[in-house]
Amino acid sequence: EVQLVESGGGLVQPGGSLRLSCAASGFTFSYHWMTWVRQAPGKGLEWVASINQDGSGNYFVDSVRGRFTISRDNAKNSLYLQMNSLRAEDTAVYYCARHVTYDYADWGQGSLVTVSS
Amino acid sequence: QSALTQPPSASGSPGQSVTISCTGTSSDVGGYNYVSWYQQHPGKAPKLMISEVSKRPSGVPDRFSGSKSGNMASLTVSGLQPEDEADYYCCSYAGSNSWVFGGGTKLTVL
Repeated sequence: EVQLVESGGGLVQPGGSLRLSCAASGFTFSYHWMTWVRQAPGKGLEWVASINQDGSGNYFVDSVRGRFTISRDNAKNSLYLQMNSLRAEDTAVYYCARHVTYDYADWGQGSLVTVSS
Repeated sequence: QSALTQPPSASGSPGQSVTISCTGTSSDVGGYNYVSWYQQHPGKAPKLMISEVSKRPSGVPDRFSGSKSGNMASLTVSGLQPEDEADYYCCSYAGSNSWVFGGGTKLTVL
């Protein structure tokens, strides 16, 4: 059974940093692209960032490019999202998701990030 | 990277059919056969319901179907059941390793 478990969310002040982690199990992690998707309170889903199988390619939505970094450790079956220079509009539940072709076949339960003073 | 356009709400009675539209551009929906649909119940993670425009993952009831014409994709739910009440999101590959979601549609089973 595929499992994705996010951690690392919490309350952070504007301008601060936070690192999210996603622990994966139940599949061969190194075979799959992985993605972070976020959902602001009461709002829709937004693609944030994706990373290819070996970590050599990473891609971001314009609003976070230059502030967020996506990485992975295939030996630890883990995905990360380093978030710097956080803004109020980054407040959201952040989901990690496993790609199968171009779709998100499996999702974690989400980790809430709140940016507020 | 503009969001795809979905109607905010849709509704139908049990047993009826309802179709939710998802309108994009030739740079996303119209340019690729990589439109997917996700169901999200309140407080839960999204669940993949349709992949690659019209493919149903294992375990998804055949009441759910997807299609695409030009820059518009559609999700049809036939034989509505109470448990189908949820938010539905479309998503399209938009080229250059980027993706875009729709704004979501709240489906109410009357």
